[in-house]
Amino acid sequence: GDSVTQMEGPVTLSEEACLTINCTYTATGYPSLFWYVQYPGEGLQLLLKATKADDKGSNKGFEATYRKETTSFHLEKGSVQVSDSAVYFCALSKKTSYDKVIFGPGTSLSVIP
Amino acid sequence: GAGVSQTPSNKVTEKGKYVELRCDPISGHTALYWYRQSLGQGPEFLIYFQGTGAADDSGLPNDRFFAVRPEGSVSTLKIQRTERGDSAMYLCASSLLARSDEQFFGPGTRLTVL
Repeated sequence: GDSVTQMEGPVTLSEEACLTINCTYTATGYPSLFWYVQYPGEGLQLLLKATKADDKGSNKGFEATYRKETTSFHLEKGSVQVSDSAVYFCALSKKTSYDKVIFGPGTSLSVIP
Repeated sequence: GAGVSQTPSNKVTEKGKYVELRCDPISGHTALYWYRQSLGQGPEFLIYFQGTGAADDSGLPNDRFFAVRPEGSVSTLKIQRTERGDSAMYLCASSLLARSDEQFFGPGTRLTVL
């Protein structure tokens, strides 16, 4: 079945360090890909998305490129801030009649000053 | 504007009891989803409503779980004869259309079954 795999956390970085969180997926067809973020005490929210191969999603300095050949959607940021501390979820949605989203297990990020 | 709200934020119950969890979606959103999130895991799909009808309930783990959305807005997730394994965060999400590519999540209800 369809699934999403993410690098295990927790990840701890110093402020201004570079971030990469790896994500790979297994799915038939051409799913849409997402990164959701959950800040402490808050609900899940969409960070960025890409709907077809080679698309790059970007938001708040984060980027991820839809790589069909490697079935990957790695999340990157050049310089993290303390406020980026959160849990990040990679997810996919099959292009069926509705958005049935399959989430990865999440990666916890802590950024220290 | 108001986001998705869920009540209660926390629910503690005893094994075997019945519980109801409520979700108020964003006004005008036709699609509504319930997910269950265990500690350290990503959300898992439970059920999807389009309007008043449950269009896909394939994620409900067993017949103790049931959900309704009688007027196409507020939804209630109902769990009968709760078990300790039902303890989790229950998340509700809504989207404007069935194919919106963005779901808006509520803060969740933390259910603990003792």
